[in-house]
Amino acid sequence: DAMVIQNPRYQVTQFGKPVTLSCSQTLNHNVMYWYQQKSSQAPKLLFHYYDKDFNNEADTPDNFQSRRPNTSFCFLDIRSPGLGDAAMYLCATSRDVAPNTEAFFGQGTRLTVV
Amino acid sequence: GIQVEQSPPDLILQEGANSTLRCNFSDSVNNLQWFHQNPWGQLINLFYIPSGTKQNGRLSATTVATERYSLLYISSSQTTDSGVYFCAVYWDGNYQLIWGAGTKLIIKP
Repeated sequence: DAMVIQNPRYQVTQFGKPVTLSCSQTLNHNVMYWYQQKSSQAPKLLFHYYDKDFNNEADTPDNFQSRRPNTSFCFLDIRSPGLGDAAMYLCATSRDVAPNTEAFFGQGTRLTVV
Repeated sequence: GIQVEQSPPDLILQEGANSTLRCNFSDSVNNLQWFHQNPWGQLINLFYIPSGTKQNGRLSATTVATERYSLLYISSSQTTDSGVYFCAVYWDGNYQLIWGAGTKLIIKP
């Protein structure tokens, strides 16, 4: 089945130690998104790629970076994780950008910072 | 910007009961999606429904775009229906999904 896959499902990292989360898709969608979700809140968009074109949300901290080496893969790099970065990180894809498009999500990576 | 409001915020039901979740939005939208976030955190697509009615098994959804609301119906609830239900919309003023705060549903055996 075509899908969005995130690895790992759970990640524990030390305060200040760089960490990378990965996302792959077999849907061949043009757009890939990274969201951060904290407990009891809706997901918050960090950035997205339309093909290789990177779009950063204005309030996304500089500590967060992303790479998309090809259509299928996208990575989220957190350069110096703080305790406040502990959250669920969700990757999503869509065939095109808004408005007439449907988003599909991976199973998420739950990040713990110790 | 557009406001998306979901009600009720919390709902506790016995297994077998029916429920209706509501999503109101303050402006015209191009697209609306309903998601179920299970207890493990995965967001599962339920419906892509900018207008009209769709059904999938025990679940159905109706969006009345002219009146700016959408309803999600769950019939014969099962414990696996527990989790948080989100609606999210795209509208002309923005390229990203705008999310409601979610409805937390607990189904007791």
